[in-house]
Amino acid sequence: EDQVTQSPEALRLQEGESSSLNCSYTVSGLRGLFWYRQDPGKGPEFLFTLYSAGEEKEKERLKATLTKKESFLHITAPKPEDSATYLCAVQNFNKFYFGSGTKLNVKP
Amino acid sequence: KAGVTQTPRYLIKTRGQQVTLSCSPISGHRSVSWYQQTPGQGLQFLFEYFSETQRNKGNFPGRFSGRQFSNSRSEMNVSTLELGDSALYLCASSLTGPEAFFGQGTRLTVV
Repeated sequence: EDQVTQSPEALRLQEGESSSLNCSYTVSGLRGLFWYRQDPGKGPEFLFTLYSAGEEKEKERLKATLTKKESFLHITAPKPEDSATYLCAVQNFNKFYFGSGTKLNVKP
Repeated sequence: KAGVTQTPRYLIKTRGQQVTLSCSPISGHRSVSWYQQTPGQGLQFLFEYFSETQRNKGNFPGRFSGRQFSNSRSEMNVSTLELGDSALYLCASSLTGPEAFFGQGTRLTVV
């Protein structure tokens, strides 16, 4: 069964304290893995797409990596404005499966 | 460039009623997908439309239906509403690749 699991469910960091979010998946025929950021009351905002194991993408303080079974979203020296729920999704052919998200809270 | 627009933003309906939600994609985007988001189940895929044709469908009952018009605008309909249909309904549009851009959603409350 196609499935996406994100951990931890919630993460509290001090400003500047780097950490990583995990997204593990089991899917047949992976066509892509996606990271989104969602702020309260808003729709998800696209961050990255990863297509193959070994691929990495960076944007400001965020870096996403992909292996054959999981992806990591590394957050370097986070700021309070990075507080949000981070969602991971995988695409199997033309269907998307989302994880339940990691709620990140960065305290000043 | 305008983003994905969903209307209305909020809706309150009674059990047994039906509801229609609207989504206007980003100009030029031909693919529109719909999702249901609840605290317990997270984001779940409903269906995707491309050039007025349903291309993919998630595991939701037939009470959930949709359509897409020639201008790529899409509507989603839920008939015979149940309390469990209360959720944030999100629409996402994409051009050709898999990167999707989401609207702000319609918050549906069924009482």
